[in-house]
Amino acid sequence: GDSVTQMEGPVTLSEEAFLTINCTYTATGYPSLFWYVQYPGEGLQLLLKATKADDKGSNKGFEATYRKETTSFHLEKGSVQVSDSAVYFCALSNAGGTSYGKLTFGQGTILTVHP
Amino acid sequence: ETGVTQTPRHLVMGMTNKKSLKCEQHLGHNAMYWYKQSAKKPLELMFVYSLEERVENNSVPSRFSPECPNSSHLFLHLHTLQPEDSALYLCASSQLYGEQFFGPGTRLTVL
Repeated sequence: GDSVTQMEGPVTLSEEAFLTINCTYTATGYPSLFWYVQYPGEGLQLLLKATKADDKGSNKGFEATYRKETTSFHLEKGSVQVSDSAVYFCALSNAGGTSYGKLTFGQGTILTVHP
Repeated sequence: ETGVTQTPRHLVMGMTNKKSLKCEQHLGHNAMYWYKQSAKKPLELMFVYSLEERVENNSVPSRFSPECPNSSHLFLHLHTLQPEDSALYLCASSQLYGEQFFGPGTRLTVL
């Protein structure tokens, strides 16, 4: 079945540092890929997405490129802020014959940014 | 109200209680989902309703009973839960094949 693997956390960075959170996936067909973010005490919010190979999703300074050859969708940000502290989830959506976009999530990576 | 709302935000219940979680979406979507988020585990998809029909039930124990009376509302009825059922329960909605929008969750504690 489909699966998503994220780098183990937690990740602790200083403000303005460069961020990379690795994500690789296993899926049949042509899934869409997502990064969701969960701030403390809140639900998940869609951060960015890519629907086909070589697409780059971007939002709020975060970027991720859909790499089919390496089955990866790594999240990057050039300069993190304290307000970026949250849990980040990589996910894929694969209809696989269903009538809806079934999401498969990675385990989540906790990011803490210090001033 | 906009987006996806969930009530209550926090719930404490004993193992013999019966309670219900409510989810409402104001986005005009036609698919709704229940997820369980436990510490140190990936999000677990519990149930999916598509066009008001249950289309997925991921081997969830019968002490969890979903109900979708219309395309905007989703309930999760709880009875005789166990302490290991304590978790954050998240509701989401989407258009068919579209991205999912999540509610803030209900933090459930079973004593």
